[in-house]
Amino acid sequence: QKEVEQNSGPLSVPEGAIASLNCTYSDRVSQSFFWYRQYSGKSPELIMSIYSNGDKEDGRFTAQLNKASQYVSLLIRDSQPSDSATYLCAGPEVGNNRKLIWGLGTSLAVNP
Amino acid sequence: NAGVTQTPKFQVLKTGQSMTLQCAQDMNHNSMYWYRQDPGMGLRLIYYSASEGTTDKGEVPNGYNVSRLNKREFSLRLESAAPSQTSVYFCASSERGQETQYFGPGTRLLVL
Repeated sequence: QKEVEQNSGPLSVPEGAIASLNCTYSDRVSQSFFWYRQYSGKSPELIMSIYSNGDKEDGRFTAQLNKASQYVSLLIRDSQPSDSATYLCAGPEVGNNRKLIWGLGTSLAVNP
Repeated sequence: NAGVTQTPKFQVLKTGQSMTLQCAQDMNHNSMYWYRQDPGMGLRLIYYSASEGTTDKGEVPNGYNVSRLNKREFSLRLESAAPSQTSVYFCASSERGQETQYFGPGTRLLVL
């Protein structure tokens, strides 16, 4: 199992729908997570971080962490074409929180 | 604040040539990182520096060297470029003990 796994997609949703992006992780990953968005040709930018079990909401974005299932998700409500990007999930390596272990990313396309 | 800056933005090298990629941050962060990103491979850590005066190997250090010149600057050197080093290189920084990483705009390197 890869340390952090994401479905590569592409995930395609209509404008206004909810986009659901998922990530699973192994025991090598410490249980806090970061969601980054990367537009084509640009650098990753942080959208949300989540450190404890449950949900965390920020505007149209909700991150969900389930430590028992080793699963983290990002929901994007009222998806917009500007949300079309690759979404990267990352978590710190156990024993070294300065090193992040990255998923390969999920490509999201929001269709007008 | 400029955040994390990288130079150059784009570079073409011939096999065997050397070059240094420059990175600077103005956020007073202690930790700095060099990644490469290739299609289908995701972000891979080359080297990182947890604090001024220290450097450590990441996942793919072969063919690279780094220098943490001071707290602000972290450079990546390719001594003898190879076509396999064609990639997009990102520098990132984070505070001590904080896992959130902030990325520079990237350097696109083509080795012929």
